[in-house]
Amino acid sequence: DAGVIQSPRHEVTEMGQEVTLRCKPISGHNSLFWYRQTMMRGLELLIYFNNNVPIDDSGMPEDRFSAKMPNASFSTLKIQPSEPRDSAVYFCASIRDRGSAGANVLTFGAGSRLTVL
Amino acid sequence: AQTVTQSQPEMSVQEAETVTLSCTYDTSENNYYLFWYKQPPSRQMILVIRQEAYKQQNATENRFSVNFQKAAKSFSLKISDSQLGDTAMYFCAFTSLRGGAQKLVFGQGTRLTINP
Repeated sequence: DAGVIQSPRHEVTEMGQEVTLRCKPISGHNSLFWYRQTMMRGLELLIYFNNNVPIDDSGMPEDRFSAKMPNASFSTLKIQPSEPRDSAVYFCASIRDRGSAGANVLTFGAGSRLTVL
Repeated sequence: AQTVTQSQPEMSVQEAETVTLSCTYDTSENNYYLFWYKQPPSRQMILVIRQEAYKQQNATENRFSVNFQKAAKSFSLKISDSQLGDTAMYFCAFTSLRGGAQKLVFGQGTRLTINP
């Protein structure tokens, strides 16, 4: 298995531009998570999906952020318009969630480093 | 809400020494899991070890072991015979199974440097 695949690895853009980050989860995994990592705030959960349905988006910082999961093998995180404070590493992670039956291991992608100038 | 606290922002030891990273957490749940993840300079998040709260026995993976104290809500990671490749950020994480969903809550991380 190729693991969780994220693109792009690096993105540099100017303030006000639209940014789209992409994620392909591991085949067979039914839950997908988007995390943001910054020096100041550490790893923050932005949103997660279960069976392609957004379950909890309480971590999404504001309306400029949106996420979709149109099918089991693809998700996007979009920032429009982007601002310098959005600069961070964005991680996608997936898991075969067994619910209360037990915890599997969350597998992370390599992350997308976003720099907004 | 659950919280995870790592009180050591940075640590540094000599190669082959043993080092212990601290982690405490706060939860009212009884059924949960705890994890240690490693993030080397490549920034890839790698699972080091995990512990199920209902298991008394401390988890062990080769040179990595944990000291899980459920009553104290403490979950420390011990790295024995440390190697240069252990240099990384280490994150403690918690997930409850309540509600049937796994959401990892992370601590702020400890930057560990192994010196030759």
